[in-house]
Amino acid sequence: EAGVVQSPRYKIIEKKQPVAFWCNPISGHNTLYWYRQNLGQGPELLIRYENEEAVDDSQLPKDRFSAERLKGVDSTLKIQPAELGDSAVYLCASSRRSVNTGELFFGEGSRLTVL
Amino acid sequence: AQSVTQLGSHVSVSEGALVLLRCNYSSSVPPYLFWYVQYPNQGLQLLLKYTTGATLVKGINGFEAEFKKSETSFHLTKPSAHMSDAAEYFCAVSVAGGNEKLTFGTGTRLTIIP
Repeated sequence: EAGVVQSPRYKIIEKKQPVAFWCNPISGHNTLYWYRQNLGQGPELLIRYENEEAVDDSQLPKDRFSAERLKGVDSTLKIQPAELGDSAVYLCASSRRSVNTGELFFGEGSRLTVL
Repeated sequence: AQSVTQLGSHVSVSEGALVLLRCNYSSSVPPYLFWYVQYPNQGLQLLLKYTTGATLVKGINGFEAEFKKSETSFHLTKPSAHMSDAAEYFCAVSVAGGNEKLTFGTGTRLTIIP
């Protein structure tokens, strides 16, 4: 089965510019996560979706970050405007809630550099 | 709320030597515990997990970990290191019975010395 697909893999922008990341989860996985991984740190959860509903967005900086998961499949994470501190790797993961193993499947990530 | 502490941000071992990466957790309810590995410029890949049952769990690539409730630990070991084991390793915890939120440690970078 195909894994979690993310794009773009790399993005370099100037501060104050907008940027968007796209994620296609594993087929049949109804739970989707966006994590942010700063250099030298572990991933930190930004938002979690159950189907199309955002059930945990407490760590999402809502003044500049937004996310959507239309139709409960693909998801987009947007930053507008980007700041220098947003430079990080944005990881998408998915899981199947009906199977309570707690295992998440991660994409390769989108590395953002803000200049 | 749950949390994970990984002792040692960098660990170096000689090829063929024992690998030991330390992880301690904090959780008010029975935890699910995980070790993920991240190779350069790649996403995270599950090495092994503990949910219930046997406290010694075996994973891929010869790694294993033991859940010790009394010590709140879940240390990762491998008897003989291989050059291909060089990577970043993350311990993570979630609430038992749910995959609502996986909380990661800060990671340990493993270097293998030829």
